[in-house]
Amino acid sequence: AQKVTQAQTEISVVEKEDVTLDCVYETRDTTYYLFWYKQPPSGELVFLIRRNSFDEQNEISGRYSWNFQKSTSSFNFTITASQVVDSAVYFCALRSDYNTDKLIFGTGTRLQVFP
Amino acid sequence: EAQVTQNPRYLITVTGKKLTVTCSQNMNHEYMSWYRQDPGLGLRQIYYSMNVEVTDKGDVPEGYKVSRKEKRNFPLILESPSPNQTSLYFCASRSLQGPRETQYFGPGTRLLVL
Repeated sequence: AQKVTQAQTEISVVEKEDVTLDCVYETRDTTYYLFWYKQPPSGELVFLIRRNSFDEQNEISGRYSWNFQKSTSSFNFTITASQVVDSAVYFCALRSDYNTDKLIFGTGTRLQVFP
Repeated sequence: EAQVTQNPRYLITVTGKKLTVTCSQNMNHEYMSWYRQDPGLGLRQIYYSMNVEVTDKGDVPEGYKVSRKEKRNFPLILESPSPNQTSLYFCASRSLQGPRETQYFGPGTRLLVL
């Protein structure tokens, strides 16, 4: 069975601190996709990134970076120099590659960035 | 502008009264999904569709129906709503898999079943 665990329920930081959100997944599939989403206080869901299981290269987008490690089944998300606008709930998710669109989410991590 | 629309945004109903939440996308996407969000449980997929007339169950399909007669629309039907279906519902769409996959979500529908 597939599973995504986000053990950090809530994280609080002060602006300009770096913060890492953890995501650990379980799957028996050899090919799969991992995702991160952001849900700001306004409630909408925003797709941030998709990572293929066969591409372990880390990705950076501005202040955001993602570290995918197959050996530890982790796909962690780091925000560098956090800002108040980064305050949101962040979800990690997993999807198999085998003719399905089934998406399994973690329970989310609430990040609060204080000025 | 690329978007996914849902209606209604808010709905209060009573147990057993059939309702439909509509979802429409303007991006010609093949894939569409419905999710529900509940405190402490995160997001759970209800149903998904990989194309017209192709639908399949997600993690929590009980009590829900869907149909995909046209590519742009993917309504969620609650034939006999119950209080445990009180939740925040999101519709989503995405393009076929590829290096530039992007997903779009609707604004959400908050449902209260009394």
